[in-house]
Amino acid sequence: QVQLQESGPGLVKPSQTLSLTCTVSGGSISSGGDYWSWIRQHPGKGLEWIGYIHYRGTTYYNPSLKSLVTISVDTSKNQFSLKLSSVTAADTAVYYCARFAITAAMAFDIWGQGTMVTVSS
Amino acid sequence: QSALTQPASVSGSPGQSITISCTGTSSDVGAYNYVSWYQEHPGKAPKLMIYEVSNRPSGVSNRFSGSKSGNTASLTISGLQAEDEADYYCCSYTRSTTYVFGTGTKVTVL
Repeated sequence: QVQLQESGPGLVKPSQTLSLTCTVSGGSISSGGDYWSWIRQHPGKGLEWIGYIHYRGTTYYNPSLKSLVTISVDTSKNQFSLKLSSVTAADTAVYYCARFAITAAMAFDIWGQGTMVTVSS
Repeated sequence: QSALTQPASVSGSPGQSITISCTGTSSDVGAYNYVSWYQEHPGKAPKLMIYEVSNRPSGVSNRFSGSKSGNTASLTISGLQAEDEADYYCCSYTRSTTYVFGTGTKVTVL
């Protein structure tokens, strides 16, 4: 079955760019109409949708983050990535990648285990 | 976009039923039947429990059910079990073609 795994630095300095990659295994990122998502959870807080991408490159972003976020896809590596620029301590969170099954469920049906990113000097 | 409103905590005894509400607006919960619910145990990734208001993914217990009325969606857990103790989040598609999550509810099994 499809599995997702996040990877990237656990520590980022303020004002720098946070970069994470999600590797999809057990299935092709290019199959179907699914969207590939990033969601974060601040410590002790709720979930926040960051955005998602279709394998053909169509993206949708949370308006509150849109100017700082870029989500991209690399179908040859079966991966998609998140870049969040000009980070501050407020961007410290667990970052999850997830599949949005737009045709099967209109929901985030498969999640990665999450990766903690701390923004600190 | 503001987070959907959920009660901070709900509790119940084993075997009882509990209901978690998720209140939004006519621009999100009330606009579409695209409400989903997620269960999150400490240190674990969220798990999809309900999609499109009332549908259960394969493998999810039929003790979990969902419904919606107007701008409020609800998740009901019947026959409460110790393993149901977790945080629960609702999520809705919005008219802005974005997604908004709820504030989260901590379920405690007494």
